[in-house]
Amino acid sequence: DTGVSQDPRHKITKRGQNVTFRCDPISEHNRLYWYRQTLGQGPEFLTYFQNEAQLEKSRLLSDRFSAERPKGSFSTLEIQRTEQGDSAMYLCASSLVAGRDTDTQYFGPGTRLTVL
Amino acid sequence: LAKTTQPISMDSYEGQEVNITCSHNNIATNDYITWYQQFPSQGPRFIIQGYKTKVTNEVASLFIPADRKSSTLSLPRVSLSDTAVYYCLVGDTYNQGGKLIFGQGTELSVKP
Repeated sequence: DTGVSQDPRHKITKRGQNVTFRCDPISEHNRLYWYRQTLGQGPEFLTYFQNEAQLEKSRLLSDRFSAERPKGSFSTLEIQRTEQGDSAMYLCASSLVAGRDTDTQYFGPGTRLTVL
Repeated sequence: LAKTTQPISMDSYEGQEVNITCSHNNIATNDYITWYQQFPSQGPRFIIQGYKTKVTNEVASLFIPADRKSSTLSLPRVSLSDTAVYYCLVGDTYNQGGKLIFGQGTELSVKP
C-alpha cells in the first residue's frame, strides 16, 4: 500500500500523559499536513510542512502541541500533558505541489485519541 | 477563504443519481472547488476538483456554472457503499498555505 499511513490507529491515555503520533506520507510528497476531527465535525487544520519546514500553525495548536518533520519525510505530532478535550481523530495528509499546481491532499486513516 | 454552504443530510436509494449542491458566493478568482468523501473512522478521500464548467472522472461529475457561486457534485447510480459524508471545499490552496477548510459536510444515506 503506497498511501499515507499513520501509527498508532488508536491510542488511549490518561489525562496528563504525553502522546506521540507518526505519519508517513506518500513517497516524494513534499507537503504534509495535520488535522484534527471531533465527532460530527469536519477536519480542522492544525499545521503543515513543506519538506522539513513548518510553514503554518493554527491557533488551535496550543503550546502543548508540537510537530516535526526532521528529514522532510515522516512527521510526528506530540501532545504534552493531554487533556480530555484533546480526544479526537488526528488526521495526516500529504500532497505534491510543484510550481503553480493545485494542492490535492491525500489523507491517512487517522489516529483516534481517547483521553481518560 | 470562501465559505461554503451545503445541505446537512440527503437520502437516496440504490441506483439513483444523487446531486449535492454547494453554495460559495464569495469564491475568489484563484479558488478551486474540491469535493472529498469520508466514511466513518476513515480519513477523507479526494473525489474531484474543478475550476469551471464540467469535470468528470470515473467516480463523479462536478458541474460549475459560469458565475462559479455554486457547484454540484453528481454521483451516478449510487450504491449502499456511497453512504458517507461529502465535503465541498473552496480555496486557493497553493497561495493560502495549503490548508483545507472543511464545513460540516453533507451526510448522504443510500437505502436499498
